[in-house]
Order: sequence, then structure tokens, then C-alpha cells
Amino acid sequence: EAGVVQSPRYKIIEKKQPVAFWCNPISGHNTLYWYLQNLGQGPELLIRYENEEAVDDSQLPKDRFSAERLKGVDSTLKIQPAELGDSAVYLCASSLMGGNTEAFFGQGTRLTVV
Amino acid sequence: GENVEQHPSTLSVQEGDSAVIKCTYSDSASNYFPWYKQELGKRPQLIIDIRSNVGEKKDQRIAVTLNKTAKHFSLHITETQPEDSAVYFCAASINDYKLSFGAGTTVTVRA
Repeated sequence: EAGVVQSPRYKIIEKKQPVAFWCNPISGHNTLYWYLQNLGQGPELLIRYENEEAVDDSQLPKDRFSAERLKGVDSTLKIQPAELGDSAVYLCASSLMGGNTEAFFGQGTRLTVV
Repeated sequence: GENVEQHPSTLSVQEGDSAVIKCTYSDSASNYFPWYKQELGKRPQLIIDIRSNVGEKKDQRIAVTLNKTAKHFSLHITETQPEDSAVYFCAASINDYKLSFGAGTTVTVRA
């Protein structure tokens, strides 16, 4: 069975341009997370979905970041416009609904804003 | 919110020796404590976890201990091998599923 799939793996864009990341979670996993990982740091939660509902987006910078999970499966994370400080790895993870179960991570998308 | 501190930030051990990583957390309501291993350029992967109703858990060469009173938990790796070289992250969460991660420990096993 495939794990969490993210695309693209790498993205280089100029500042002020838009960018989008895509995530396909493990089949049957109702909970989906987007994390931001800066170099040398642990992942930081941006948003958590239970099915199609965003139940925790308190850490998402809503002036430039948006996310959606329309059918409760795949999800996209968008940044518009991108800033130099957005350069990081964006990780998607999924888990079974129910609390305190293992979160499986994707390979991440490494974003470089120049 | 939950604050997780992790020490040391880097750890170098001789092959065959033990490695210990320590984490503290701030919210006494936290009840789930996973440890993730991340090799260079790869995804974080769960290696062991512990819940607040257990004080210690072991899986082959790795073990985790939890002291709820002191609000700290530790990862122990015995008989270290070169493939144990990676970044290790501790995390803590309450029932709201939100994992708060430590800053990570870079472990290097010297042959």
C-alpha cells in the first residue's frame, strides 16, 4: 500500500509568485495534517482536517496561506504571494481518526523562494 | 499551548554505546508521546510511542521512559549502529491530536 504521497518534491519560485502543494493521504485516513519544517527544527502544525473540515487552523497565516480538502481525501496547500521566509519543507501527514494514533508523513515538498 | 524542549541538539556516540535523548513538556494534560526518526532528506517515521498510563516501553534496542510528575520523557537507544544515525524528534499531544514537536537531536554513530 502506498504511503502519504506529496507533490512536487521540490519547487523553486520567485517571491510574490503563487505556489501550491498537493497531498494524497493513506486510504482510509480521515485526519490530514499540513506541517511546516524549517531547517534544523521540528515540524510545526499549520492545519488539521477531520474529513473535509478544518478543525484546527490556528497556526495558518491566513493572509497568504490557504488550504482545502474538498472531498475529504486529497488536500492542497497554497501560498499567495510567497515570501522569502516561506522557504522550508512542507510536510503532509495522515492518521486514522480517533486521537493519539500514529501520524504517517509524506516525503515533503521543499520550497525555495528566491 | 504545549511547549516541548529537547536535549541535546547533537549527540555523537561510538558504535555499540548507548544514546539518550531527553524531552520536557509544559502541559500536564499531554497524554501521548511519540518519537520520530528522520534520515537526511526523508520523511519522519514513528519509531516508538508511549501513553501516559505507562511508565516505560521497550522495542528491541529502543526504549522510552515517561515521568509524568516531572513532565519529562526520554529515548534510549542501546548498542547503537551506524544506521541509527539520523535526526530524532520527540513530540507530545493531548487528545486534540495536535502534535507539538521538539527541535530535534542529530545523532551520529561513529564506527
